Amino acid sequence: NAGVTQTPKFRILKIGQSMTLQCTQDMNHNYMYWYRQDPGMGLKLIYYSVGAGITDKGEVPNGYNVSRSTTEDFPLRLELAAPSQTSVYFCASSRLVPSSFDEQFFGPGTRLTVL
Amino acid sequence: GDSVTQMEGPVTLSEEAFLTINCTYTATGYPSLFWYVQYPGEGLQLLLKATKADDKGSNKGFEATYRKETTSFHLEKGSVQVSDSAVYFCALSDRGSGTYKYIFGTGTRLKVLA
Repeated sequence: NAGVTQTPKFRILKIGQSMTLQCTQDMNHNYMYWYRQDPGMGLKLIYYSVGAGITDKGEVPNGYNVSRSTTEDFPLRLELAAPSQTSVYFCASSRLVPSSFDEQFFGPGTRLTVL
Repeated sequence: GDSVTQMEGPVTLSEEAFLTINCTYTATGYPSLFWYVQYPGEGLQLLLKATKADDKGSNKGFEATYRKETTSFHLEKGSVQVSDSAVYFCALSDRGSGTYKYIFGTGTRLKVLA
């Protein structure tokens, strides 16, 4: 099993550009998440999804969009990139409901720099 | 609201030293508690967990006990190895909320010297 995969690993964007961060999981998990990790900070939830076609905002959703057309894929879209979006982005998935004691499985992350 | 507070790093130890990384929490419901580890260049992975008061989670020589009276979940290891060098995150999941709530601490970097 590959688990959770993310592409790209690194990316540099110019201010105002757009991009999509890809996330795929092969564990048939219903629940998927996008986090950002700023230097010296914990992970902040951007968006999450409880199943195909269902998404909801997390703690820091502004400047981002998501979609969930399949169980496997959960892309994160950045529109009009800003320097404040410079961060490491992690995708994660879990088998059970988010408020349970279930483990989350993380991808390796995407390091994004906006100049 | 719910929160997780971890000791700041970096923590630098010699091989075979005793490790403690402090973690305290505040929660409105009945949280489950977790320690995740992030090795260089990788995503986070679950190290151990505890789902109720007085539970002890353990894995790979690491242990943490869920202490409701002190709202703590400190990570310990009796003898660290160079391969334990990583960033450690304390986290909680609040089962009582009914909505999504999975909160991570800021992470503590551990460096073990040979």
